[in-house]
Amino acid sequence: GQQLNQSPQSMFIQEGEDVSMNCTSSSIFNTWLWYKQDPGEGPVLLIALYKAGELTSNGRLTAQFGITRKDSFLNISASIPSDVGIYFCAGQDSTLRDMRFGAGTRLTVKP
Amino acid sequence: EAGVAQSPRYKIIEKRQSVAFWCNPISGHATLYWYQQILGQGPKLLIQFQNNGVVDDSQLPKDRFSAERLKGVDSTLKIQPAKLEDSAVYLCASSSVWGGDNEQFFGPGTRLTVL
Repeated sequence: GQQLNQSPQSMFIQEGEDVSMNCTSSSIFNTWLWYKQDPGEGPVLLIALYKAGELTSNGRLTAQFGITRKDSFLNISASIPSDVGIYFCAGQDSTLRDMRFGAGTRLTVKP
Repeated sequence: EAGVAQSPRYKIIEKRQSVAFWCNPISGHATLYWYQQILGQGPKLLIQFQNNGVVDDSQLPKDRFSAERLKGVDSTLKIQPAKLEDSAVYLCASSSVWGGDNEQFFGPGTRLTVL
């Protein structure tokens, strides 16, 4: 099945800094999604991308669907303490049946 | 609108015992998913229901895992007998339409520890 490689595994940044994380796949996806998971909670959808090359923003978050359809990145600008959590990328192939998740990027923001 | 409900939130059992998890999806959501999330990993789909029918159970270890959604609303996931490697968070999610660009809403999960 498809393998998703997400990097970095963890990040420690200062409040106010920008953050970038990315995800690559061994095969093509039709949809890329970015989720955030807080401790003891389920993942919550941040941004969904449906077209190659698409660039979408949600407040301080920006994500792009790579042209090759095998990668995506998520940027967070001007980080704040509540950005702390684990960020997951996920992809859906042409069957649109199941989502494959990356292993996550654990973000720590120091005030 | 109430979210996806799951119970129990935590469960500790010994290996070879049985355990069951319950999920109540968002009202009106036809599609229900069960995921397994091992510590340090992303969620992995176990089974997907469309109403009360199974759409995809290709990654469900059927020798010990079973799931049902008899009335097309709530669902139970059972493990019998449990193994040490089953220790994980079991997440339930629901969406309004199968596939497509409809968002999956996740419950808080059940954290299972197998000793």
